[in-house]
Amino acid sequence: ETVLTQSPATLSLSPGERATLSCRASQSVTTYLAWYQQKPGQAPRLLIYDASTRAPGIPDRFSGSGSGTDFTLTISSLEPDDFAVYYCQQRSNWPPAYTFGQGTKLEIK
Amino acid sequence: QLQLQESGPELVKPSETLSLTCTVSGASISGSGYYWGWIRQSPGKDLEWIGSFYHSGNTYYNASLKSRVTISVDTSNNQFSLRLTSVTAADTALYYCARTMRNHFDYWGQGTLVTVSS
Repeated sequence: ETVLTQSPATLSLSPGERATLSCRASQSVTTYLAWYQQKPGQAPRLLIYDASTRAPGIPDRFSGSGSGTDFTLTISSLEPDDFAVYYCQQRSNWPPAYTFGQGTKLEIK
Repeated sequence: QLQLQESGPELVKPSETLSLTCTVSGASISGSGYYWGWIRQSPGKDLEWIGSFYHSGNTYYNASLKSRVTISVDTSNNQFSLRLTSVTAADTALYYCARTMRNHFDYWGQGTLVTVSS
């Protein structure tokens, strides 16, 4: 099973600052990596898929990069609505299987 | 607009079977190109994929749950169901149904909390 490790566990920043979240895979996932945002009481919301493609309706301040084992989610200028928990997720090639990272909580400083 | 809605008992006794149904509106689960499946989130917040199926009949399960899980499909009602046997307190979680597009989950239900307790 491919394990995803996210860092940091908690990130404290102010609105307007740049956020950089990391996700590392225990083995290569090529670019089968997605990012989600989850707010309290809500289901996760897809932000980025295939490592760097924004989902429909996602603002361009969100960007993803990386391939292989190291991936980054960047939020260029934080808005108040961006403070939430962020998860990465990968798909193993065969048989199909999906795993999630443990999450990074982005909190207001 | 695609919508998914989970339904089922909120409380299940230990050793019994958890059964949930996902009702899909706005798209046919018989259509090609998508998988449909279940994900759960424990009170400790970890997200865990349970299993997914494709319209052709192929079904894939998390290896750690495979011996206890069955996903079935009711195309006439555009629903699919989850059955998890021999539950314990460790199966207490928020259960989501979701659509899988290629390698990611693009639409999610709102989730339903299932508690395993006597």
